[in-house]
Amino acid sequence: DGGITQSPKYLFRKEGQNVTLSCEQNLNHDAMYWYRQDPGQGLRLIYYSQIVNDFQKGDIAEGYSVSREKKESFPLTVTSAQKNPTAFYLCASSPSLANYGYTFGSGTRLTVV
Amino acid sequence: LAKITQPISMDSYEGQEVNITCSHNNIATNDYITWYQQFPSQGPRFIIQGYKTKVTNEVASLFIPADRKSSTLSLPRVSLSDTAVYYCLVGGMDSNYQLIWGAGTKLIIKP
Repeated sequence: DGGITQSPKYLFRKEGQNVTLSCEQNLNHDAMYWYRQDPGQGLRLIYYSQIVNDFQKGDIAEGYSVSREKKESFPLTVTSAQKNPTAFYLCASSPSLANYGYTFGSGTRLTVV
Repeated sequence: LAKITQPISMDSYEGQEVNITCSHNNIATNDYITWYQQFPSQGPRFIIQGYKTKVTNEVASLFIPADRKSSTLSLPRVSLSDTAVYYCLVGGMDSNYQLIWGAGTKLIIKP
């Protein structure tokens, strides 16, 4: 089945640690996105990529980093500079930036301990 | 940028038609209107998208008036499984193709 796989489903981070969230898609989509969702709120864009080896900051990129070395993969690193990282992280993809029918993964819930 | 306003929550009953209205007063000329559905601890799922007038697919209809400052998602004959959060989004090439998400409407369907 085609889709997006996010791992792990749950992740615990200690203060001062960097952690990396995985996102893999087999839909042959060019565009990929990372969103953050806090309880009871809508989604906020962290980073997006429209093609391999290219990515752009979204609305809340501070404290996060990404890479896009392969079309299928768009990992997100939550660095120690992100002061409030506890949230639900969602990865999505679409055929292109101009196509708004995103396919989302099932999310990673990150908790700082 | 468009500011999106939608009701925080709504209740309805099985078999009824549900209409959720979204306000987007500052929508740009080239922006599209998109709706997503989200269940707890899952990623959102695309429902429908439109630019103007009416769009219908197998699960919903989207009504957009001529001024495009609002839109209404219509869900026909809802069931308990339609209980979810529904997000209204606006976006297009005027905003570099980025989607602006509303805060979501929590829809609860009662038996």
